[in-house]
Amino acid sequence: GAVVSQHPSRVICKSGTSVKIECRSLDFQATTMFWYRQFPKQSLMLMATSNEGSKATYEQGVEKDKFLINHASLTLSTLTVTSAHPEDSSFYICSAAGSGETQYFGPGTRLLVL
Amino acid sequence: AQSVTQLGSHVSVSEGALVLLRCNYSSSVPPYLFWYVQYPNQGLQLLLKYTTGATLVKGINGFEAEFKKSETSFHLTKPSAHMSDAAEYFCAVRGYNFNKFYFGSGTKLNVKP
Repeated sequence: GAVVSQHPSRVICKSGTSVKIECRSLDFQATTMFWYRQFPKQSLMLMATSNEGSKATYEQGVEKDKFLINHASLTLSTLTVTSAHPEDSSFYICSAAGSGETQYFGPGTRLLVL
Repeated sequence: AQSVTQLGSHVSVSEGALVLLRCNYSSSVPPYLFWYVQYPNQGLQLLLKYTTGATLVKGINGFEAEFKKSETSFHLTKPSAHMSDAAEYFCAVRGYNFNKFYFGSGTKLNVKP
């Protein structure tokens, strides 16, 4: 099946710093990538949808200036959490979709802001 | 509008027993339906999906699900639970905007020895 990777798998940072998370589709071209946030014991919350070469579409309530998304190629999307605060600590998951109907998920990134 | 309801946030079965995880959906368009499994601290893995055609869909690890349009349901079953099936399971429906998925709240499956 299609493989999606995320890097890093775990990151700890100080409050006020920025953190970049990479999402890569390893064996297919992802025309669309999605970024989710998952709180403990809860479902996935879609943050934004990004299409290669265009601006991301953010869900209501998600601050686009805080969560910067770049989808520069058909295999790479990045999420940058700017000026991170402890409340940004969470599990961030990306997914990718090619020409088919299925989303393939990355393994997730655990962010802890101190 | 699309939405998914998973009845039962926690389900506990004995090893070897039938697994039944419930999912009901609402969709204003013919639905594409998915079941994903999530192990602790990992991403989601696709178990199975329904798009068109046969309404009984078989997936990985012995799971299957049946699309019942009249009941707007897509319940996940496995005849005999294994300890390794303990995980969280999410049902999802693809939205009218083809890109967007709507997830249920998840069901945590516990398998007792």
